[in-house]
Amino acid sequence: EVNLLESGGGLEQPGGSLRLSCVASGFTFSRYAMSWVRQTPGKGLEWVSVVSSTGEYTNYADSVKGRFTISRDNSRNTLDLQMNSLRVDDTAIYYCARDPGGYIPRYYFDHWGQGMLVTVSS
Amino acid sequence: DIQMAQSPSSLSASIGDRVTITCRASQDLKTSLAWYQQIPGKAPKLLIYAVSRLESGVPSRFSGSGSGPNYTLTISSLQPEDFATYYCQHYYTAPRSFGQGTKVEVK
Repeated sequence: EVNLLESGGGLEQPGGSLRLSCVASGFTFSRYAMSWVRQTPGKGLEWVSVVSSTGEYTNYADSVKGRFTISRDNSRNTLDLQMNSLRVDDTAIYYCARDPGGYIPRYYFDHWGQGMLVTVSS
Repeated sequence: DIQMAQSPSSLSASIGDRVTITCRASQDLKTSLAWYQQIPGKAPKLLIYAVSRLESGVPSRFSGSGSGPNYTLTISSLQPEDFATYYCQHYYTAPRSFGQGTKVEVK
């Protein structure tokens, strides 16, 4: 059974940093691209970032480009999202999601984690 | 950017009803469209990808159809566990985006 477990969320002030992690199990992690997707009541679902199966290719939504960094460690089956220069509008539930693509992401998501709340507020 | 207009935003239906949800894109998506189901407090779940391909394990009462720019999710006979919010998502080109959702409620 595919399982994705996020950690690292919480409350941070504007301008601060947080690091989200996702531990994967139940599948061969190194064969799949992985994404972060976030959700807010106001803006709905928003794709944030993707990393290819090997980690060589990454891509970001314009709203987070230059502030967020996605990475993965295939030896530990982990996916990370380093979030810097946080803004109030980064407040959301962040989901780790598996992309059925490998070296080339497909940009849709066949398994999701349970989600982690990130709140940016002073 | 491709705009996704999902309709209706909500609907009321009874067990056994046929339910249809529509997503209209601002351009042809070819086959790059997916549908998700989200139960409150849970993560989205993939139902359909490539417009009409049923994800493994998803009941056959769910089906997808359409061609650019109009796409449809149909539930042939609504079951109690189907009361949820449904989202379309295009993955044709950047930025990939989701519709605003359709909440299916008990009539």
